[in-house]
Amino acid sequence: DTGVSQDPRHKITKRGQNVTFRCDPISEHNRLYWYRQTLGQGPEFLTYFQNEAQLEKSRLLSDRFSAERPKGSFSTLEIQRTEQGDSAMYLCASSGVGGYTFGSGTRLTVV
Amino acid sequence: DQQVKQNSPSLSVQEGRISILNCDYTNSMFDYFLWYKKYPAEGPTFLISISSIKDKNEDGRFTVFLNKSAKHLSLHIVPSQPGDSAVYFCAAGINTNAGKSTFGDGTTLTVKP
Repeated sequence: DTGVSQDPRHKITKRGQNVTFRCDPISEHNRLYWYRQTLGQGPEFLTYFQNEAQLEKSRLLSDRFSAERPKGSFSTLEIQRTEQGDSAMYLCASSGVGGYTFGSGTRLTVV
Repeated sequence: DQQVKQNSPSLSVQEGRISILNCDYTNSMFDYFLWYKKYPAEGPTFLISISSIKDKNEDGRFTVFLNKSAKHLSLHIVPSQPGDSAVYFCAAGINTNAGKSTFGDGTTLTVKP
């Protein structure tokens, strides 16, 4: 297992378009987290899953944001009707015995 | 209101000397604290953590100190090495679900050879 994988690494989209990011966690990790990081700030927690159950989504930034983890393995984060303020790095992390591991993130640029 | 603050955006130290990175928090409910290191174009990497029942935790060259009364923690790196140059994030959470942690804005450490 090579760690947490995120795809794509970079995404440029036009304002108003929908985007979807994928995260593949470490296979034996049952918890998966999504964060947003803007320039000069630390990661901001958005939502997390324990297996396929989404246990918290109150911190998702708006109803344009949604996340799924249908089979308790990979997860997707979707942003609908993107706005320029959505431009940021979106990070995924997974956790299990042994700690937390982050992916390298998806950098979203909304033009 | 920023609940976790790293007041020094940057720190520069000489190789072999001690690096001390500081972090303050405001939420007294926080009971679990972590430090992460981040290199450019990579995600944060977990370094060390401490529970509120302790005031010190050590792992090799890294030691975290927690002062609950002051709501302050610090990361000491001794001796500092050029490879330690990175952005360091402090994070605080509740009930050991550290994935839901609140992060500071980071301190960029530069270790000069």
